[in-house]
Amino acid sequence: DGGITQSPKYLFRKEGQNVTLSCEQNLNHDAMYWYRQDPGQGLRLIYYSQIVNDFQKGDIAEGYSVSREKKESFPLTVTSAQKNPTAFYLCASSMVHWGEQYFGPGTRLTVT
Amino acid sequence: KQEVTQIPAALSVPEGENLVLNCSFTDSAIYNLQWFRQDPGKGLTSLLLIQSSQREQTSGRLNASLDKSSGRSTLYIAASQPGDSATYLCAVIPGTASKLTFGTGTRLQVTL
Repeated sequence: DGGITQSPKYLFRKEGQNVTLSCEQNLNHDAMYWYRQDPGQGLRLIYYSQIVNDFQKGDIAEGYSVSREKKESFPLTVTSAQKNPTAFYLCASSMVHWGEQYFGPGTRLTVT
Repeated sequence: KQEVTQIPAALSVPEGENLVLNCSFTDSAIYNLQWFRQDPGKGLTSLLLIQSSQREQTSGRLNASLDKSSGRSTLYIAASQPGDSATYLCAVIPGTASKLTFGTGTRLQVTL
């Protein structure tokens, strides 16, 4: 089955620890995206990548980092510099940059 | 800066009713518009994509229309069912093909 997988579904971390969220797609899409969703707010773009070995900051990139070494994979690291990391994180991909987007099931991160 | 508004924030209807969800955007020079549904704790599922040259798209009981001049899109759901209960989000890509902007969604409940 083609699609986007995110792991883990739930993640718990202590404050001050870095954590990496996984996103993998087998849709052969060039572009991939990370969003953050908080209650009562719309989705906010963290980072996006149009092609392998290239990525750009979105609206709320501070405290996050990404890599795009393979077309299928776009991991997101939430660093200790992110002031309020507890949120629902969604990964998406599209065939072309800003084309029709397909989303993964999300990872809920809780930092205490 | 593109702003996307969805009103109402929540809607409850009895099963079998036809209903319309609204999405308004401030910059009419859009590239395309995408409608999603999101079930609690899940990722987004793409419902319909309308390109800027199109006026509407249909999929089963769903029909989405686009009026760029007035900055509006509507999602029409025919013969609603309890399984349609979810949050519906619209997202707009501006004409400059910059980032996708999401509305905050309409939470729909279809009651028996």
